[in-house]
Amino acid sequence: AQRVTQPEKLLSVFKGAPVELKCNYSYSGSPELFWYVQYSRQRLQLLLRHISRESIKGFTADLNKGETSFHLKKPFAQEEDSAMYYCALNSFGGTSYGKLTFGQGTILTVHP
Amino acid sequence: SAVISQKPSRDICQRGTSLTIQCQVDSQVTMMFWYRQQPGQSLTLIATANQGSEATYESGFVIDKFPISRPNLTFSTLTVSNMSPEDSSIYLCSVGLVFGPGTRLLVL
Repeated sequence: AQRVTQPEKLLSVFKGAPVELKCNYSYSGSPELFWYVQYSRQRLQLLLRHISRESIKGFTADLNKGETSFHLKKPFAQEEDSAMYYCALNSFGGTSYGKLTFGQGTILTVHP
Repeated sequence: SAVISQKPSRDICQRGTSLTIQCQVDSQVTMMFWYRQQPGQSLTLIATANQGSEATYESGFVIDKFPISRPNLTFSTLTVSNMSPEDSSIYLCSVGLVFGPGTRLLVL
């Protein structure tokens, strides 16, 4: 069965410091991984998908199949990055999305 | 991407009663998904709702407790039946990678 693990429930950094939110997964197939973000009082929204290899709001994430990881990184954290971050794995094959397995989430706090 | 709305946004219910949550999408979609987020926990998939067929439930979730309707390609409902305080959660519907705002349920 698939599993997504985010080892840090809480992460605190100061503004301008680098930040890395860890995500490890276990999945027998070819994984499709995502990062979601939930700001205070807002709905869950997609931040990144590994297949796009893009940078959103300065965040990047690289899929490392050897280490089964998909860590989220940003070189210089901003206060507005403070939010809950979820790593998720898509269990559907092909181009169908929606059956997601989520990690436990990491609350990121960026201090001024 | 799809725009999803849910009703109600929140509710407080008495144990033993049932609540039906509505999910509306602004475009026609084949599959809709229902998730639960218990307090302090992550999101867990309850079921997949296809139009024209019975919903497919994940392990630990049963139709008698969480009946789902999918009458057309833009709408679905999830009912939480015979509620207990353990059902206090946020219930979210999703389409693909897009999530609705959630329904926050408190059972007393």
